[in-house]
Amino acid sequence: NAGVMQNPRHLVRRRGQEARLRCSPMKGHSHVYWYRQLPEEGLKFMVYLQKENIIDESGMPKERFSAEFPKEGPSILRIQQVVRGDSAAYFCASADRMDQPQHFGDGTRLSIL
Amino acid sequence: AQSVTQPDIHITVSEGASLELRCNYSYGATPYLFWYVQSPGQGLQLLLKYFSGDTLVQGIKGFEAEFKRSQSSFNLRKPSVHWSDAAEYFCAVGGNRDDKIIFGKGTRLHILP
Repeated sequence: NAGVMQNPRHLVRRRGQEARLRCSPMKGHSHVYWYRQLPEEGLKFMVYLQKENIIDESGMPKERFSAEFPKEGPSILRIQQVVRGDSAAYFCASADRMDQPQHFGDGTRLSIL
Repeated sequence: AQSVTQPDIHITVSEGASLELRCNYSYGATPYLFWYVQSPGQGLQLLLKYFSGDTLVQGIKGFEAEFKRSQSSFNLRKPSVHWSDAAEYFCAVGGNRDDKIIFGKGTRLHILP
């Protein structure tokens, strides 16, 4: 897990604020995935990105959520105008190829007041 | 549709006893199969994976899993559990043409002293 770095580990926001979650993949990995985990649920795929490109965002809510993976710097998952239902653990994973195992970060736990 | 079913939400075993966690999948092609473990407050750690070849796969921490195509199963086993094995275990399926992994809802393992 140490290879994929997510920050912050915990994030508290009030309803209507913006949340920014960051993910630095393992060295050499150009494939990044974001998942959301709710209590008593497994991980739900949100989005898959390669450098500067969104490959698959089929699991991402159509509004308020966006993701990017710029040429330089970490991948960012952005949630605008947060609501209580956005409270969850958000995990990032990376891989060096699409068909290789994904390595996970320790997650960001988002709490909405 | 692709799916993963972990029939047992909670499993309790005594320390030193054997363990089997069940996983059934639905996938339209040859699957890639994974077992991940998640300790509280942590991300997911890969225990083992099956891509092809020998259907009995050895993983870390003394775990193994067997791919049975006829039963669409990939059950996880350990001959003798330790208290440190208490965690949540996720089975997942993907494929060489897929950009995402589908996770089961997890099985939480409790260890009795």
